[in-house]
Amino acid sequence: SQKIEQNSEALNIQEGKTATLTCNYTNYSPAYLQWYRQDPGRGPVFLLLIRENEKEKRKERLKVTFDTTLKQSLFHITASQPADSATYLCALDMDSNSGYELNFGKGTSLLVTP
Amino acid sequence: KAGVTQTPRYLIKTRGQQVTLSCSPISGHRSVSWYQQTPGQGLQFLFEYFSETQRNKGNFPGRFSGRQFSNSRSEMNVSTLELGDSALYLCASSTLDTETQYFGPGTRLLVL
Repeated sequence: SQKIEQNSEALNIQEGKTATLTCNYTNYSPAYLQWYRQDPGRGPVFLLLIRENEKEKRKERLKVTFDTTLKQSLFHITASQPADSATYLCALDMDSNSGYELNFGKGTSLLVTP
Repeated sequence: KAGVTQTPRYLIKTRGQQVTLSCSPISGHRSVSWYQQTPGQGLQFLFEYFSETQRNKGNFPGRFSGRQFSNSRSEMNVSTLELGDSALYLCASSTLDTETQYFGPGTRLLVL
């Protein structure tokens, strides 16, 4: 069956360091992969999308890599700040013939301490 | 542009009752998706509507249903509520030219 795995344990890092979050998947051939941020009591907010033919994508302090051979995406936040503390979710498309159907990982909680 | 809005924000129901949740997408967005989020299962896809038609459906029982109106607003209904239906229900909207989902704040449903 299709599965998306993210680090279930919370990631605690010091302000200024680089946070690296992992998303592994099995039994998928996604056309793209997305990363979202979710704060407590709020809906997820889109951060980045990377397509299967792209190796890396950047946006300000964020960087995403996508290795379709390893079936893995890495999400990096450089120069992390306490405001980056949140849960980060990866999502893959379900390869539907039409429309949108995203399958989400359970997320990794990031805590950045001063 | 106003974001995705969901009403009500909080709801308490008892087992066996039914509930209707509402979602207004971002203006111009014609695709509306619904998700259920629980601590144990995470975010799970319920269904997606576009132009009043359900295009995709997740692995949920028939007690979960939805519809979309001509103005793209959407409702989802859960009948014969069970304790396990307690969750945060999230609505997301999108356009045809992007895969990005724009989420609303969610409706938190508690079934007693």
